[in-house]
Amino acid sequence: EADIYQTPRYLVIGTGKKITLECSQTMGHDKMYWYQQDPGMELHLIHYSYGVNSTEKGDLSSESTVSRIRTEHFPLTLESARPSHTSQYLCASSEWTGSGYSDEQFFGPGTRLTVL
Amino acid sequence: QQPVQSPQAVILREGEDAVINCSSSKALYSVHWYRQKHGEAPVFLMILLKGGEQKGHEKISASFNEKKQQSSLYLTASQLSYSGTYFCGTVIGAGGTSYGKLTFGQGTILTVHP
Repeated sequence: EADIYQTPRYLVIGTGKKITLECSQTMGHDKMYWYQQDPGMELHLIHYSYGVNSTEKGDLSSESTVSRIRTEHFPLTLESARPSHTSQYLCASSEWTGSGYSDEQFFGPGTRLTVL
Repeated sequence: QQPVQSPQAVILREGEDAVINCSSSKALYSVHWYRQKHGEAPVFLMILLKGGEQKGHEKISASFNEKKQQSSLYLTASQLSYSGTYFCGTVIGAGGTSYGKLTFGQGTILTVHP
């Protein structure tokens, strides 16, 4: 079944730890995104990718990094977690239509991160 | 630049109608609408494109005023399942091009009571 997956769903970790949030999609989409969302608030784009070996920073400054080595996989890494990183992280993907505009985005279930 | 949504919250009884507005200070290429239920991921509702094209679910209607950079989402004969937070997202573009990135508004909380 075509879908988008995120692991872990919940993560509680201490300050200074390195973490990687996983995101995989089986829809064959070229475009993938990472959003950060605090409870009840708007989504902020932190990273996006238009394809393999393509990554860009989003509108919200983030200390995280991403990689896109395979089409289906778009992991997000925090080298040294801090309490200010506590938030929900949502991964999304969309199909590249070729006409230049962003198409329907499919979201994963999210990872709720708590840094103590 | 983040689009502005209004109202911030709406409370309805089943069967009532609601309109949610989204406005931008920049020329828009497209407007997207998503609904997010508590504890869940956002779900796509509709895309409205510059030039009049729309893609979305049949039961959802919306408008896009390109000159005013405004969009409205119309929820008619509301059902309990309509409850959630509605986000508009905008793609900035001019002259037929799109810069691709989706910027979301702050959200409108819709609550439908029996």
